[in-house]
Amino acid sequence: EAGVAQSPRYKIIEKRQSVAFWCNPISGHATLYWYQQILGQGPKLLIQFQNNGVVDDSQLPKDRFSAERLKGVDSTLKIQPAKLEDSAVYLCASSFTGLTEAFFGQGTRLTVV
Amino acid sequence: TQLLEQSPQFLSIQEGENLTVYCNSSSVFSSLQWYRQEPGEGPVLLVTVVTGGEVKKLKRLTFQFGDARKDSSLHITAAQPGDTGLYLCALHISSGSARQLTFGSGTQLTVLP
Repeated sequence: EAGVAQSPRYKIIEKRQSVAFWCNPISGHATLYWYQQILGQGPKLLIQFQNNGVVDDSQLPKDRFSAERLKGVDSTLKIQPAKLEDSAVYLCASSFTGLTEAFFGQGTRLTVV
Repeated sequence: TQLLEQSPQFLSIQEGENLTVYCNSSSVFSSLQWYRQEPGEGPVLLVTVVTGGEVKKLKRLTFQFGDARKDSSLHITAAQPGDTGLYLCALHISSGSARQLTFGSGTQLTVLP
């Protein structure tokens, strides 16, 4: 069974530029999560989708971050404009339901200079 | 304030030693998960504990859920370099109609050969 796919693996951008990350969850998984992980810390939930609807985006900085999950499958997370403090690993995860095991992708390491 | 507090934050030990890491909360929770994250990878589920006082074993790893369901511990016997990684506890918390998967701050374990 294929795992959660994310791209790109690495991205370096200048502050004030925009960037987008892509996630393809495990087939059949209804729940999709985007997390931000600062070096040395635990993942922080940014947004959670159930199929193609947002069920929680309370910690998403909506002035600069946006996410969508069209057709309830793939998802994209965008940052515009990026700030230095956005440097982190962005992890995508999926689960069959919101209560079962979450499977994570390898993440995208973003560096903002 | 972190919902889940993990300690210690960092731990460096020699191969063959034993260790225990802790996850604590001021709230009672119905179940708790432990994940391990290796460098450059996403977290991977190790175990879910559900019942107060429950003990689960996974080879050299022993997981315990506190009787009051407010704390949990992970004990590793005879640690090996392959055990190196970030150990995260996580729980599902209610957020509106959804259940958020929330992580603690993690314990970074380094096992030296």
